Amino acid sequence: SQQGEEDPQALSIQEGENATMNCSYKTSINNLQWYRQNSGRGLVHLILIRSNEREKHSGRLRVTLDTSKKSSSLLITASRAADTASYFCATDEGTYKYIFGTGTRLKVLA
Amino acid sequence: DAMVIQNPRYQVTQFGKPVTLSCSQTLNHNVMYWYQQKSSQAPKLLFHYYDKDFNNEADTPDNFQSRRPNTSFCFLDIRSPGLGDAAMYLCATSSDPSRVNYGYTFGSGTRLTVV
Repeated sequence: SQQGEEDPQALSIQEGENATMNCSYKTSINNLQWYRQNSGRGLVHLILIRSNEREKHSGRLRVTLDTSKKSSSLLITASRAADTASYFCATDEGTYKYIFGTGTRLKVLA
Repeated sequence: DAMVIQNPRYQVTQFGKPVTLSCSQTLNHNVMYWYQQKSSQAPKLLFHYYDKDFNNEADTPDNFQSRRPNTSFCFLDIRSPGLGDAAMYLCATSSDPSRVNYGYTFGSGTRLTVV
């Protein structure tokens, strides 16, 4: 089953601009996570936000969570070419099982 | 450094010939997962182990099996690979869920080609 859908599917921006990706999911969650995947590689954990949290920051990343709308957003500020990757949200179905969304392919142009 | 290691990085197998992918971890995590990721798609959970307890996803084909002989190692066996099984296979680990703050740790993946 696929829990999350991400929007947009692809995003192309200039270096220095901000990038915003959105994730919508279907059922109640305990946690939501965001991951980055460089082409042909494994996924790297970026940030975890719990259902009782509304916003979380990590460096240039800002994640928001709106459980009433069943949605989350990931903002990358001052983007760099090295941020070019696919970004996935993952939501829990049960205590320790996460299902990944469809992903957003971000391209940052130098 | 503590990590999750997948071997091999690339695997080519013949149609119908059994193949095994391996994953090892030095994190001492309780839970190990196998995901299948096809090109430009989301990773799809195949199954996971919580310690020695095996949990299969309902839509995982019988062609896919897994073994976890000890905490550190987990194997994915594909009994009769078909062309549709060509994908990246990702192994991930996580610690006890009551202490989850860090999410999963993923290996670099094994890209499987079926010829």
